[in-house]
Amino acid sequence: RKEVEQDPGPFNVPEGATVAFNCTYSNSASQSFFWYRQDCRKEPKLLMSVYSSGNEDGRFTAQLNRASQYISLLIRDSKLSDSATYLCVVPPGGSYIPTFGRGTSLIVHP
Amino acid sequence: NAGVTQTPKFRVLKTGQSMTLLCAQDMNHEYMYWYRQDPGMGLRLIHYSVGEGTTAKGEVPDGYNVSRLKKQNFLLGLESAAPSQTSVYFCASSYSSQPQHFGDGTRLSIL
Repeated sequence: RKEVEQDPGPFNVPEGATVAFNCTYSNSASQSFFWYRQDCRKEPKLLMSVYSSGNEDGRFTAQLNRASQYISLLIRDSKLSDSATYLCVVPPGGSYIPTFGRGTSLIVHP
Repeated sequence: NAGVTQTPKFRVLKTGQSMTLLCAQDMNHEYMYWYRQDPGMGLRLIHYSVGEGTTAKGEVPDGYNVSRLKKQNFLLGLESAAPSQTSVYFCASSYSSQPQHFGDGTRLSIL
């Protein structure tokens, strides 16, 4: 099993839709989790940190499920500008060197 | 507030040529990283550094060397460029387990 796995998509959704992505990880000792957004041919940018209690920022909600070893990202009321690739990042337990998932592509259409 | 700056932004090399990519950060971060990103492959870690004077291999280190002589700079060298090293290279920096800040990338083509 790969350390961090994501469904590559693409997820093709209309404006206003709610969409959710999952990211599974293999190292149960991992403590920090992050979601990044990457636009085409641009650098990744931090979207959200993922806390044990969950994290919400406007239309975005991130959740952690330690028992099943996955993190999720929920986007409500999708906008055209949400079209991007979403990367999950999981530093392996005992290490500060992050492991990136390959990303999930989201396309929001009118 | 520059953050992470990569130079150059674009470069075309011939097979066998050498070059150095420079990454500079002004956030006093201990950790610095070099990644390459290829279509369908995601970000792959080449080398990283956890402090001035220290470097370590990542997932795909072959064909690359690095140096961290100053805390704010992390250099990535290609001694003899190969077409397989055509890629987009990203540098990043961070405090230990905190989120990384990325530079805006270097697009390298090797003919």
